[in-house]
Amino acid sequence: NAGVTQTPKFRVLKTGQSMTLLCAQDMNHEYMYWYRQDPGMGLRLIHYSVGEGTTAKGEVPDGYNVSRLKKQNFLLGLESAAPSQTSVYFCASSYRLRLARTGELFFGEGSRLTVL
Amino acid sequence: AQSVTQLDSQVPVFEEAPVELRCNYSSSVSVYLFWYVQYPNQGLQLLLKYLSGSTLVESINGFEAEFNKSQTSFHLRKPSVHISDTAEYFCAVSEPDYGGSQGNLIFGKGTKLSVKP
Repeated sequence: NAGVTQTPKFRVLKTGQSMTLLCAQDMNHEYMYWYRQDPGMGLRLIHYSVGEGTTAKGEVPDGYNVSRLKKQNFLLGLESAAPSQTSVYFCASSYRLRLARTGELFFGEGSRLTVL
Repeated sequence: AQSVTQLDSQVPVFEEAPVELRCNYSSSVSVYLFWYVQYPNQGLQLLLKYLSGSTLVESINGFEAEFNKSQTSFHLRKPSVHISDTAEYFCAVSEPDYGGSQGNLIFGKGTKLSVKP
C-alpha cells in the first residue's frame, strides 16, 4: 500500500521555468491538499481539493495552480518559478474534510524544489 | 482567526530525560487539537489528537498531551525520551465543522526535538 506518493522528490529550476508536481493517493480519499514547508514557518496551505474536478485556494495560493482531473491525483503547477518558491512541498489527503478536521491527514514524503 | 504558537523552536535534551513541548492556541470557538511528528526526510504523521472527553490523550509511543481550556494550551510531554524521538513536532488546531464551512488544519511553526546520548 503506497499511500500518498509525490513525484519528483527533488528538482532544481531556473527562475521563470515551469514545472508540475504530481501527487497520487491510492486510498480513495476525497480530499487532497498541497502545503509548503519553510524553515521557521511551519506548514502553509497552498491549495486544496474536496473532490474530483474541484479546487480551492488556501493560505498562500499566489504563483501556483492546481488541477484534480482524477480522484487519485492532485497536480501542483508553477507557471513561472521564482526563488521565493524554493521550499519543500507536501501533499496530503483525507477521507473527508470533516474527518480531516477531526482525524488524520496522510502526508507524502515531500518534494524539495530549489529555484535559482 | 485561529492561530497556533509553539513557544520553542528547538529543544535539546539528553536521552532518558523528560521533555515538554509547548503549544498554545487562540480561537473563539471550541477546537480540535493535534500533534504531528515529522522524522528526518519524511512527511508528517499524526501522533495524537484531542477531540472531546478526557483532556489527557496518549500516543502509542509514550507521549501524552493535556488539553487545558483555561490556558488555551495543549502541551506535549514524555517522561523519558529516546534517541529515536529526535524529530520535529507540530501542533495543529481546527474548528469543529458545525456549519459545513471549508476549514483546514492550522499548524504551528514546529519544535525540533533533539535527543542526545
